[in-house]
Amino acid sequence: GAGVSQSPSNKVTEKGKDVELRCDPISGHTALYWYRQRLGQGLEFLIYFQGNSAPDKSGLPSDRFSAERTGESVSTLTIQRTQQEDSAVYLCASSLSSQYTGELFFGEGSRLTVL
Amino acid sequence: TQLLEQSPQFLSIQEGENLTVYCNSSSVFSSLQWYRQEPGEGPVLLVTVVTGGEVKKLKRLTFQFGDARKDSSLHITAAQPGDTGLYLCAGEGGATNKLIFGTGTLLAVQP
Repeated sequence: GAGVSQSPSNKVTEKGKDVELRCDPISGHTALYWYRQRLGQGLEFLIYFQGNSAPDKSGLPSDRFSAERTGESVSTLTIQRTQQEDSAVYLCASSLSSQYTGELFFGEGSRLTVL
Repeated sequence: TQLLEQSPQFLSIQEGENLTVYCNSSSVFSSLQWYRQEPGEGPVLLVTVVTGGEVKKLKRLTFQFGDARKDSSLHITAAQPGDTGLYLCAGEGGATNKLIFGTGTLLAVQP
């Protein structure tokens, strides 16, 4: 797998449950981004990692949202006590470096539906 | 807060027509990228512009970065059904160099 991989591709959950979304970036990419996209709209920035650190987590909507990255590789976005307004596609992207924002390579996203 | 507004939000045209999509902000960006996204997929980079006033061409697509590096445009000549998709501009800026995406322009080219 040379590209960014995200799982699950689809997740349906009940309001109040916790969900975990996973992102496997391209090997060697130091920068990793999470975005949220509502139907037919632009991308809403959530959080950005440089290595395992998150210099910018200003886009996380509330304290129900958290993310971590380990081994400068896999990242997990966790949403606790999901609400219906959390329904969206969550996109992960990686980039070779964040010193100069080069091309972002995106996964196909995780579609979250909260009933 | 850096915001990127795109216009129009939706555009439905006939094959062969020309169109222009605009990306505007009150903030200055060190670089600006354009992506295209097809249903069920992640966005894919089309071009990056870095210098104010820069013009780049990619086949029938022409991209321009404003002189003040606050705005950009994408012009498509003789649109084809394969151009259908969501077009997104994205600006790099701020202390943490995060990439901020625009509101998106959904283009439908009818055969």
